[in-house]
Amino acid sequence: RKEVEQDPGPFNVPEGATVAFNCTYSNSASQSFFWYRQDCRKEPKLLMSVYSSGNEDGRFTAQLNRASQYISLLIRDSKLSDSATYLCVVNQGGSQGNLIFGKGTKLSVKP
Amino acid sequence: AAGVIQSPRHLIKEKRETATLKCYPIPRHDTVYWYQQGPGQDPQFLISFYEKMQSDKGSIPDRFSAQQFSDYHSELNMSSLELGDSALYFCASSLMAHSGANVLTFGAGSRLTVL
Repeated sequence: RKEVEQDPGPFNVPEGATVAFNCTYSNSASQSFFWYRQDCRKEPKLLMSVYSSGNEDGRFTAQLNRASQYISLLIRDSKLSDSATYLCVVNQGGSQGNLIFGKGTKLSVKP
Repeated sequence: AAGVIQSPRHLIKEKRETATLKCYPIPRHDTVYWYQQGPGQDPQFLISFYEKMQSDKGSIPDRFSAQQFSDYHSELNMSSLELGDSALYFCASSLMAHSGANVLTFGAGSRLTVL
């Protein structure tokens, strides 16, 4: 079983739609959680960190449920520019801090 | 603001050849990471360095080696290249956080094609 699992994609949605991505992680000792965005053939870029209390950044809301080892990302009022692959990322802690990536969920927002 | 610089951006090699990728982290970042992303795959962690010492090792093949130099730049050396080594290689850097909540900034990647 992969350490970080995400919804299978692709998600094809119209502009203005609300879309939710889910992610589960297997290591209960994981310490920090992120959503990264990756455009085709580009590097991953941090979208937002995910905190236990949930956090919001404009149209983006991230939630973490440690008990269920589950992370979510909600995008409201989706824009064409939101089209990308969204990577659920987990830091398993310790002194190294290396990140474990999910396979990513591809989002395509259509006019 | 300065970002993570990787070179070369594109590299074409033959099987069994050797390749070296370079990474210049964001100034004052003390940790460098290398990731490999194959076509349609998620980035796979290879190796990381903290203050010029190897800090963690992931799925890096024995044919690969890496080091971090006194100026904090890092090099990934790949020998006896195989077709399956064709991938996008990302370097990332961060400032080590004791809480483990490191935020990594990635370079634009080096695309290696092995023919």
